[in-house]
Amino acid sequence: EPEVTQTPSHQVTQMGQEVILRCVPISNHLYFYWYRQILGQKVEFLVSFYNNEISEKSEIFDDQFSVERPDGSNFTLKIRSTKLEDSAMYFCASSLETASEAFFGQGTRLTVV
Amino acid sequence: AQKVTQAQTEISVVEKEDVTLDCVYETRDTTYYLFWYKQPPSGELVFLIRRNSFDEQNEISGRYSWNFQKSTSSFNFTITASQVVDSAVYFCALMEYSSASKIIFGSGTRLSIRP
Repeated sequence: EPEVTQTPSHQVTQMGQEVILRCVPISNHLYFYWYRQILGQKVEFLVSFYNNEISEKSEIFDDQFSVERPDGSNFTLKIRSTKLEDSAMYFCASSLETASEAFFGQGTRLTVV
Repeated sequence: AQKVTQAQTEISVVEKEDVTLDCVYETRDTTYYLFWYKQPPSGELVFLIRRNSFDEQNEISGRYSWNFQKSTSSFNFTITASQVVDSAVYFCALMEYSSASKIIFGSGTRLSIRP
């Protein structure tokens, strides 16, 4: 069964460093998303991406964040200068159509020290 | 404003009991979509069901059933004859048609099934 894959599963980084989280969405999907979940809390929307541009972003997704689809298969989230409060599980998701169910990857646990 | 409320933070039942997880939503859109996701201890988010606002038929899938009531803005989830493997955090979520690239999640209900 097709699935969304994310790498790495866990990343530890020093405050102020740049990190890139990688995702391979399901191959025929057209819509891509990033969500995050701070430990024990709800899942929060960060950004959606379609046709090589951002469709929507939340207030969390400030200038420190960027997304890119560098080739036909990968979808990345970059955090330019990490803060302690960026520590969270980051989920990538994809969907075939807008307003359809999103399928999530297994997540990348980011720890900023 | 869109909002999803899962008032039950934690539920614990003994195996084989039935359990219902409550979900109440708020939206001004007349077209919207409701979801349930399961997050087992391993951490991934597993899609369970999607309903659109025009389809109020209840759904049953094995031991799982969902009751969608527009009149009370609720979309409750029942597990019949619960099993230990059902232990997880369950999230109810909402997507408005006017913002159809963003899923808003509730805060989740942690379900523990005791053997």
